[in-house]
Amino acid sequence: QQPVQSPQAVILREGEDAVINCSSSKALYSVHWYRQKHGEAPVFLMILLKGGEQKGHDKISASFNEKKQQSSLYLTASQLSYSGTYFCGTDNSGGSNYKLTFGKGTLLTVNP
Amino acid sequence: SAVISQKPSRDICQRGTSLTIQCQVDSQVTMMFWYRQQPGQSLTLIATANQGSEATYESGFVIDKFPISRPNLTFSTLTVSNMSPEDSSIYLCSARQLYNEQFFGPGTRLTVL
Repeated sequence: QQPVQSPQAVILREGEDAVINCSSSKALYSVHWYRQKHGEAPVFLMILLKGGEQKGHDKISASFNEKKQQSSLYLTASQLSYSGTYFCGTDNSGGSNYKLTFGKGTLLTVNP
Repeated sequence: SAVISQKPSRDICQRGTSLTIQCQVDSQVTMMFWYRQQPGQSLTLIATANQGSEATYESGFVIDKFPISRPNLTFSTLTVSNMSPEDSSIYLCSARQLYNEQFFGPGTRLTVL
């Protein structure tokens, strides 16, 4: 089941903040966040595990609400380099097969 | 973190032919996956490459069309068989350790004429 991301697109000025949401209709065991720039591979940002453990980027934060089956990615004091498409990948399997299903992405544009 | 390389990086192929894409990881990993991504679209999982056994395919993908091998913990191949223009896409190899981050290779951009 593909997770739903919102918003689909957001435009910021440098220094502004943004929140990207990811929600699932099934129980979440982990959420993975990626940023992809045009013509490049997705780059890992963060992983949030059921139970509260997080690993990832030191300038980007995220939350994981297991009850609501949602995750949010917080981009603060955005930089030009933050521009790209952000994908969340969800693991709904409880760890049995470890595969990720990705949302449709959120296009973030940071302008000077 | 794992570093993943893919070969070729891009190719232009004729309809009806096959292309094999190679994926090499610089360390042993538990899981390897193959994804497809159309320009401007999300990542669609083709299959999980299982070491020493048949790959596990997602709905809509079959072994005859996308045979996959994984002879060891660091290497996998994906073959796109009997290609048609609809197979034109970016194919991405991905690798993951249990309960850890998943990394992607640089992708193979395939154009079928």
